[in-house]
Amino acid sequence: DTEVTQTPKHLVMGMTNKKSLKCEQHMGHRAMYWYKQKAKKPPELMFVYSYEKLSINESVPSRFSPECPNSSLLNLHLHALQPEDSALYLCASSQQQGDYGYTFGSGTRLTVV
Amino acid sequence: AQSVTQLDSQVPVFEEAPVELRCNYSSSVSVYLFWYVQYPNQGLQLLLKYLSGSTLVKGINGFEAEFNKSQTSFHLRKPSVHISDTAEYFCAVTLNDYKLSFGAGTTVTVRA
Repeated sequence: DTEVTQTPKHLVMGMTNKKSLKCEQHMGHRAMYWYKQKAKKPPELMFVYSYEKLSINESVPSRFSPECPNSSLLNLHLHALQPEDSALYLCASSQQQGDYGYTFGSGTRLTVV
Repeated sequence: AQSVTQLDSQVPVFEEAPVELRCNYSSSVSVYLFWYVQYPNQGLQLLLKYLSGSTLVKGINGFEAEFNKSQTSFHLRKPSVHISDTAEYFCAVTLNDYKLSFGAGTTVTVRA
C-alpha cells in the first residue's frame, strides 16, 4: 500500500457544526502532516506529527484540533469554523520528520456555510 | 530565510511540443529542491527531487530538471507534452528540516 487515504472527499458544514477529517496510511511512515490549500494557491503547512506526537503547530487557530491516535491515523477535528476556512485540506506522510519523500492524499474539499 | 519564485503563472503549450517551467530560489545555504504536480481535484504528486549528486534529475512521466547552483535555479522540462500533462506544477525547497516552501504554482494547459 503506497497511498494516503483521506475521508471524506467533500464536506459541507455550518459554522456551529463539529466535524472531523480523517487520514490513513499503511506505509509505516512515522511523520504525518496537515496542509491547507486555498484555490489557486500553494499548500500551507498547519501541523506536523512525528512518532504520534505533535511536533509543529504553525500558529493554527484553536478551532482546528489535530489528533494522532496511532502511527497510521491522523485526524483533524473542526469546530466553529468560519467561511474563510473553506479550502482543500491535504494530509501527507513521510518516513520520518525531515525525510523528503512526502506522499500526499487527494484531500478533503471543505466548504463552510 | 528561503523563498521560491516560479516565474510563469500560466504556460499554454501545444500537444507534443516541449515545455519548460522556471523556478528560482533564494537561500544562502544548501537546499533540497522538488517539483510537485497537482491534477484537478487531486492531491500533490512528487515529480522529482534534488538532494545531492548529479545536477540533472530525471523524474516520472518523462520530466527532468536541472539544478543550477550559480543561477539558483531548478527549471523543469519535458521534451514532448501530452494532454494529460495539463495540471498545476509547484516548485518547492527545504533546508535541513521538515518544512517545504512552495512557489506560487504554474498552470500548464496543453492544447491539441
